[in-house]
Amino acid sequence: NAGVTQTPKFQVLKTGQSMTLQCAQDMNHEYMSWYRQDPGMGLRLIHYSVGAGITDQGEVPNGYNVSRSTTEDFPLRLLSAAPSQTSVYFCASSGRVARNTGELFFGEGSRLTVL
Amino acid sequence: AQSVTQLGSHVSVSEGALVLLRCNYSSSVPPYLFWYVQYPNQGLQLLLKYTSAATLVKGINGFEAEFKKSETSFHLTKPSAHMSDAAEYFCAVRNYGGATNKLIFGTGTLLAVQP
Repeated sequence: NAGVTQTPKFQVLKTGQSMTLQCAQDMNHEYMSWYRQDPGMGLRLIHYSVGAGITDQGEVPNGYNVSRSTTEDFPLRLLSAAPSQTSVYFCASSGRVARNTGELFFGEGSRLTVL
Repeated sequence: AQSVTQLGSHVSVSEGALVLLRCNYSSSVPPYLFWYVQYPNQGLQLLLKYTSAATLVKGINGFEAEFKKSETSFHLTKPSAHMSDAAEYFCAVRNYGGATNKLIFGTGTLLAVQP
């Protein structure tokens, strides 16, 4: 049972480059989300989705784009990377909102460095 | 808006000593509360959750937490620390009956266990 899978695990970018962080879950979860983790700031929500075709912004959405064309996948796109986007990114998912208490299942993280 | 505050970004205890990690929440509606643990270079794992049933919640690895509405607290405890408990711990809150499974995280407490 793979759970939540993130790729790549490590990435180095130059300022201005674009890239996509991939996230896939095999638990048929409706809810998926992206967080970034920075020292002393905990986890901050970037974007989230409550189902295929539906996305919304979290606390820190600027500079990031998402789409949800399937239940399984929720990629995070960095449009033009900046050093301030150096962080560890986590994808997390959970089952249908009305039927559960919101426990999130996390991937192992993607460490991004922007030079 | 909901929020959680974790008091103490770093806590150090001796092996065998009591572990107490503090979390206070702010919520205008009954909350769901969570404690997650993050071991080095890994994703977050659920330790325990409060979902408006019993106020004393038992989790994995001997941890427990007590929901105290009068104090708006959800502190995490373990009677006897083990070296393997060294990790970062995050408290999180979400809306009861909310439209999403959006979790708001605290800034984390890094627990060190001294031999």
